[in-house]
Parts: sequence; structure tokens; C-alpha cells
Amino acid sequence: AQRVTQPEKLLSVFKGAPVELKCNYSYSGSPELFWYVQYSRQRLQLLLRHISRESIKGFTADLNKGETSFHLKKPFAQEEDSAMYYCALSAQNRDDKIIFGKGTRLHILP
Amino acid sequence: GAGVSQTPSNKVTEKGKYVELRCDPISGHTALYWYRQSLGQGPEFLIYFQGTGAADDSGLPNDRFFAVRPEGSVSTLKIQRTERGDSAVYLCATRRGARDGYTFGSGTRLTVV
Repeated sequence: AQRVTQPEKLLSVFKGAPVELKCNYSYSGSPELFWYVQYSRQRLQLLLRHISRESIKGFTADLNKGETSFHLKKPFAQEEDSAMYYCALSAQNRDDKIIFGKGTRLHILP
Repeated sequence: GAGVSQTPSNKVTEKGKYVELRCDPISGHTALYWYRQSLGQGPEFLIYFQGTGAADDSGLPNDRFFAVRPEGSVSTLKIQRTERGDSAVYLCATRRGARDGYTFGSGTRLTVV
């Protein structure tokens, strides 16, 4: 079964502290993994995808096929990072639907 | 256009009525996806089009839901005999090709009263 699991509904972190949003997946083929972010009253937007290996707004995520994880990390949280974060997967190099996790609300405390 | 456009942005309808939700994709994006996001949940897949044809409609919850994309561009999601449980934000996403990212619209918030 194809599934994305984000175990934390809410994560509160102090400004300047490290952030880690957990994501585990289940997929039978070669997945492509994404992190999407939704700021208050804005549309869902792509934060990063594992194949591009970019760092966006200081966030990184490494695909760990052994642990089937794609955790999102940032060394120093900023207040503007407060948002909903969704981990998602799709089939690699193929047009296919994206499967989303339920999301984690990240709240940065001042 | 510059982005994925969804209209209307908000729709309130009475239980039992018919509604249509529209998605205007980015020009040249051949793949188009519909999702539904209920409060506190991640987006749930409904249907996806490759060109004019529905390549996967496995996410449509029942036969009250239908979607078309007659010319391979604009898509319309149609819901018959709406129920209160259909209340959600309906999202549209498009992509140019399999190696490109998905771009989401801002959604239509449907409220069935």
C-alpha cells in the first residue's frame, strides 16, 4: 500500500532551535518524495523534492531508503517558518498522483 | 496564465444542489490533478487527467462526483446532489511533465449547508 505517515500533528519549537519534521513512507516502486508547505492563507507550495537535492529557506531533507524516511530538517528555526508542512510521494519519472501525509503544523515560539 | 487558477474561490450551496468547480491550468501543462482537503487533513487525491482523458479516477468517492477536461486545458469538477460531508477545499494541481514539479491552485472552499 502507498502511504505517507507524519507522526506529529503539531510541533512547537523555539526560535533559533533545530527543527525536524518526521516523515515515513510505504511504496512498492521507486518513489519521488516531496515536502510541501502552506503558510497561513496561502496556497500549497513546493518546498523541496528529493531528486533536486536543493536546500530551500535553509531546509533540507535526505531520502533514507533503508528506513523509508524523508525527514525535513532546519538547523535554526525562524518565526516565518510557522506553517503547515506536508510530506508527499509520487512515482519517480512518471505522471502519477501525489499521496500526501496528514501534515504537521510547525509553530515557532519567540 | 502565470499560475493555476481556480474559480470560484468560495462556494456555499444547499444540500442536494449541483455544483461545478473550475480549474484553469498553467499553459502547456498536460497533467491536471484534483484533490480534496478536509479540515485537519492532508489533500486526498480524486482524479487526474493526462490531456483530455482521465488517467486515474480511483479517488472519486462515489458516482456523484465527475470531472471533465474536454479540450485538454480547463477542467471542471462536478458534484451532484451535494451532501454536508462534501464540504472541503477542492484543490487543483498541474504539471508540465513527469520530471517537473506540481503547481497548486489556491483552491475552492465548498460549504454545503
